[in-house]
Amino acid sequence: EIVLTQSPGTLSLSPGERATLSCRASQSVSSSYLAWYQQKPGQAPRLLIYGASSRATGIPDRFSGSGSGTDFTLTISRLEPEDFAVYYCQQYGSSFSLTFGGGTKVEIK
Amino acid sequence: EVQLVQSGAEVKKPGESLRISCKGSGYSFTSYWISWVRQMPGKGLEWMGRIDPSDSYTNYSPSFQGHVTISADKSISTAYLQWSSLKASDTAMYYCAYGSGSIDPWGQGTLVTVSS
Repeated sequence: EIVLTQSPGTLSLSPGERATLSCRASQSVSSSYLAWYQQKPGQAPRLLIYGASSRATGIPDRFSGSGSGTDFTLTISRLEPEDFAVYYCQQYGSSFSLTFGGGTKVEIK
Repeated sequence: EVQLVQSGAEVKKPGESLRISCKGSGYSFTSYWISWVRQMPGKGLEWMGRIDPSDSYTNYSPSFQGHVTISADKSISTAYLQWSSLKASDTAMYYCAYGSGSIDPWGQGTLVTVSS
C-alpha cells in the first residue's frame, strides 16, 4: 500500500500570502494519479486537483498542483479568507487501493 | 448534476448491526463506482473500499476488509455500507463519494455513534 506523508501538519499564514503544501509518496504514484481535496469544518471534502495538476470544475486558478513520481505540491497563490481549511492529498495509481495523506491545516496567522 | 444523498445519523450500541445508505441521482448509477470513506472524530480521511454498481464487484482497503460490507442495489440507485457487529471504535463520519480514482462529489456524510 502506498503511504502518503503531508507536510507541514499546520501552516499559519495571512490572507494574500502564498501557501505551499507538500505530499510525498512511499513509492512512485503511477501516471500522476494524485488528487488534492479541501475540507472545511462541518463539510464534506471537495476535489480541487486531479491528475496531479488538473483543476476540477469550478476551482479558482489560484489553486495549482504540480509534481510527479513521489513528490507533489499544492500551491495557493494568494490566500483568500475562504481558503483556510484542511487539505488532503490522495493517490489512486494503485489498482486496488486508494490512500489519503494525513492532511495539512492552513490556518490564519 | 451528480448528487449523492446519504441516510441520517445513527446511534447504536456495541454489538448491534447497521446499514447506512447512499442514493445517487443525476447520472447513470451503473456507470461509475461508489467509494466509501471514514473520518473519525478530529482525524483524517481513510478510504474504506468501493463498489461497481453494474455488477456489485467490490474491493476493500486492507484495513477494512472483513470488518464492513459494501453492497449496492442498482434498481434503486443506492449503495450501502454495513456492519454486522459494531464497536465503539466505529464511531465516525462516513462519506460516500462518486468515482473510483479521484472522487467527487461526496455525499453529505452519515454520523455513526456507537456507545453503550
